[in-house]
Amino acid sequence: AQKVTQAQTEISVVEKEDVTLDCVYETRDTTYYLFWYKQPPSGELVFLIRRNSFDEQNEISGRYSWNFQKSTSSFNFTITASQVVDSAVYFCALSEAQDGNNRLAFGKGNQVVVIP
Amino acid sequence: GAGVSQSPSNKVTEKGKDVELRCDPISGHTALYWYRQSLGQGLEFLIYFQGNSAPDKSGLPSDRFSAERTGGSVSTLTIQRTQQEDSAVYLCASSLGRASGNTIYFGEGSWLTVV
Repeated sequence: AQKVTQAQTEISVVEKEDVTLDCVYETRDTTYYLFWYKQPPSGELVFLIRRNSFDEQNEISGRYSWNFQKSTSSFNFTITASQVVDSAVYFCALSEAQDGNNRLAFGKGNQVVVIP
Repeated sequence: GAGVSQSPSNKVTEKGKDVELRCDPISGHTALYWYRQSLGQGLEFLIYFQGNSAPDKSGLPSDRFSAERTGGSVSTLTIQRTQQEDSAVYLCASSLGRASGNTIYFGEGSWLTVV
């Protein structure tokens, strides 16, 4: 079963618009961790954020913000005032404490295209 | 280096040949992971090392795939008798430890094309 679902395959926005990427996860574990990674055209997966299941506080980092809601099992990511450099594939991932090996289950990714 | 280093960055090989992909993790990181990224399957876990041992090989797709890690540092992923379906980006990653929640840092990947 898919543990992480990112429903929007490709999203196109005009520069300076905001874009929100949805991530819905599924786990029976009470302790788990959620991550977002950015994959630019160069291919490297760049770590953006980690959130543990006990911390539902939303976070803002520059133009990036994350909304974690356990009630809906969602960990959504918003880019404010998008820029061309934000064009990339963004992956949401889940690590479950019961796994013990810190394996990541990834969603299929959101391809974000920012049009100048 | 400061990040996870992988080589080669690109490899084209003929079907049936063996290939070796190398990963140099971040210094001090004891946990090392191999993932595969392909068009149809997204990002898949292959194998995990803690030190030199590989307690979790559950993601290796067939017995043609193997990996080793020596000295608790560099790892080599070997694919024997390559098939066209092995074409993918092979991503190596490392983290400070095995505990869930440790941030995993990825390299730029090795793009393998089997022709």
